[in-house]
Amino acid sequence: NAGVTQTPKFRVLKTGQSMTLLCAQDMNHEYMYWYRQDPGMGLRLIHYSVGEGTTAKGEVPDGYNVSRLKKQNFLLGLESAAPSQTSVYFCASSPGQINEQFFGPGTRLTVL
Amino acid sequence: AQKITQTQPGMFVQEKEAVTLDCTYDTSDPSYGLFWYKQPSSGEMIFLIYQGSYDQQNATEGRYSLNFQKARKSANLVISASQLGDSAMYFCAMSHTGGFKTIFGAGTRLFVKA
Repeated sequence: NAGVTQTPKFRVLKTGQSMTLLCAQDMNHEYMYWYRQDPGMGLRLIHYSVGEGTTAKGEVPDGYNVSRLKKQNFLLGLESAAPSQTSVYFCASSPGQINEQFFGPGTRLTVL
Repeated sequence: AQKITQTQPGMFVQEKEAVTLDCTYDTSDPSYGLFWYKQPSSGEMIFLIYQGSYDQQNATEGRYSLNFQKARKSANLVISASQLGDSAMYFCAMSHTGGFKTIFGAGTRLFVKA
């Protein structure tokens, strides 16, 4: 039982490049989330999903897109990376709307 | 607007003593959940404790307890008998059903001294 996994763990991009972060969970959770963590600001919700085929915007969605084609996977895409997107990205999942969230190990992204 | 406030950027506590980390929240939704997470220097997020808005009793999980004062909109985390391994960043968070969103506070960094 791996819980929540994220790929890759580290990535360096140049401004304007694109990439996709992959999140996978094996707990059959309906809800999945993408957060970014910046120093001194805690975690901020980028996008979330309440089930397969659904996505919704969170607090800071600009510059990101997501897809949930399979229940166990939640992808976060950056179409044209900017230095402001340098951050640590966490994926999480939960069984319900008001339940503890299980977090992946994080992806450290640097945009030069 | 929903908001979580953690007013203590950093806290020091002596090993084996108790410590309280403050958290206040603001929401107009009657149904919500309050959470505390621990983030050690290794970076992972670890769930500690949960309190539902309709729960009558304060939540407890081992050495962790949540001092829930609904009228004051506070949800302070109490760690009893601090250990060196408790040194970490602690985040208070809230999830609610209306206009679904989860928000986190800015965190409190706890240092446990030997």
